[in-house]
Amino acid sequence: QKEVEQNSGPLSVPEGAIASLNCTYSDRGSQSFFWYRQYSGKSPELIMFIYSNGDKEDGRFTAQLNKASQYVSLLIRDSQPSDSATYLCAVKVIGGSYIPTFGRGTSLIVHP
Amino acid sequence: SQTIHQWPATLVQPVGSPLSLECTVEGTSNPNLYWYRQAAGRGLQLLFYSVGIGQISSEVPQNLSASRPQDRQFILSSKKLLLSDSGFYLCAWSLSLYEQYFGPGTRLTVT
Repeated sequence: QKEVEQNSGPLSVPEGAIASLNCTYSDRGSQSFFWYRQYSGKSPELIMFIYSNGDKEDGRFTAQLNKASQYVSLLIRDSQPSDSATYLCAVKVIGGSYIPTFGRGTSLIVHP
Repeated sequence: SQTIHQWPATLVQPVGSPLSLECTVEGTSNPNLYWYRQAAGRGLQLLFYSVGIGQISSEVPQNLSASRPQDRQFILSSKKLLLSDSGFYLCAWSLSLYEQYFGPGTRLTVT
C-alpha cells in the first residue's frame, strides 16, 4: 500500500516568513514528486515538480527531495496572504499505471 | 500549450437522476486521463483512469462509470445518482511519469 503522509495543519506563519511544508512517502520506487496548491473551492494547481535528489527553486518556491529518507518538502519564502491554501503532495512510482498517490494536504495560513 | 476543459462547472441534480460529466484535453496526444472526486474537507479519491481509447480502469466500485470515446475525451456517467455522489469532480491528464494537470472541476450537489 503506497502512502503519502502530510501534516493536515493548519500551519500558520506571519507574512514575510518562510513556510515549510513536509511530505513523507512509503514506496522506495517513487520516482516523481509534485506539489499542488488548492484554494478553497478551486481545483489543484501544479506549482512544483522534482525528479532528482536535492533542491529545485522556482521563484519563491523551493522543493527539496531526499530519497534516502523518503521525504519531499516545499519551502515558500516571503510568504504572502495569497499563499494561504491547502498544499497537496503527490508521488508517482516507476512503471505500472503511473497513477499518482496524493497526500491529504496541509492547510497553510499566512497572516498579515 | 495544453488545456483541459470540464463542463458543466456546477450541477444540482435530484437523487435517482442520471449524470454525464465531460472532460476534454487540447494540445497533447494519447494522454493518461483521470477522474477524481473530492468530498467536502476530504482528500482526492481516484475514481477512474484511462491510458487509451476504450481502456478504463476503475478504482472504486460504485454506481459511476467512465468512458473514453476519443483520445482526448473522458466522460463520467451515472444512471441513478445517490446523495453520497455529491462532491467536487476533477478531471486530470498526464503523460506517464510526468506531471498531472487538473481541470477546473464540476461541483455536483445531489438533492
